[in-house]
Amino acid sequence: EAQVTQNPRYLITVTGKKLTVTCSQNMNHEYMSWYRQDPGLGLRQIYYSMNVEVTDKGDVPEGYKVSRKEKRNFPLILESPSPNQTSLYFCASNHREQGEAFFGQGTRLTVV
Amino acid sequence: GQNIDQPTEMTATEGAIVQINCTYQTSGFNGLFWYQQHAGEAPTFLSYNVLDGLEEKGRFSSFLSRSKGYSYLLLKELQMKDSASYLCAVMDSNYQLIWGAGTKLIIKP
Repeated sequence: EAQVTQNPRYLITVTGKKLTVTCSQNMNHEYMSWYRQDPGLGLRQIYYSMNVEVTDKGDVPEGYKVSRKEKRNFPLILESPSPNQTSLYFCASNHREQGEAFFGQGTRLTVV
Repeated sequence: GQNIDQPTEMTATEGAIVQINCTYQTSGFNGLFWYQQHAGEAPTFLSYNVLDGLEEKGRFSSFLSRSKGYSYLLLKELQMKDSASYLCAVMDSNYQLIWGAGTKLIIKP
């Protein structure tokens, strides 16, 4: 089954404690991206990757890191989380020239 | 800059028809997409328009006018399960998806 798998679904952590949210897709998509979604603000892109070892900043990259060492995986790293990073996060993938994006289930992160 | 506008919220009655509008200004155009998102869940793909005109898919239709930078999503025979947010997204010249903030659709019995 074609899917994007994102883990964990829910996470509560404390300020400053490094965390990683994993994302994996099985559709051989070149393009992967991370979004955060906050009430009234819609989807805002954090980082994206056009292919292995190619990553670029989106609209709200501050406080986040990503890596793309393999085509299928695109983890999101918060080195020192802060309360303003409390949000709903989505990973998505698509073929570069096809906009039908497939989304992971979402990760609801709370930083206290 | 790039911008996509859609109404924040709309209310409609079960069984009726509703039209959700989307206007856009982007650097290039490689297609317009509509997604449905239920609260707390991931967006799911509804429709894709790259040429002017109407695309119909069951109860849902989507229209595009590239010259006007305008699209709408038409939902017919509304059902309670259609209560969701509807996101308009445009793929720009760099094949980046630019997202609107979404329209929350409330269906009343």
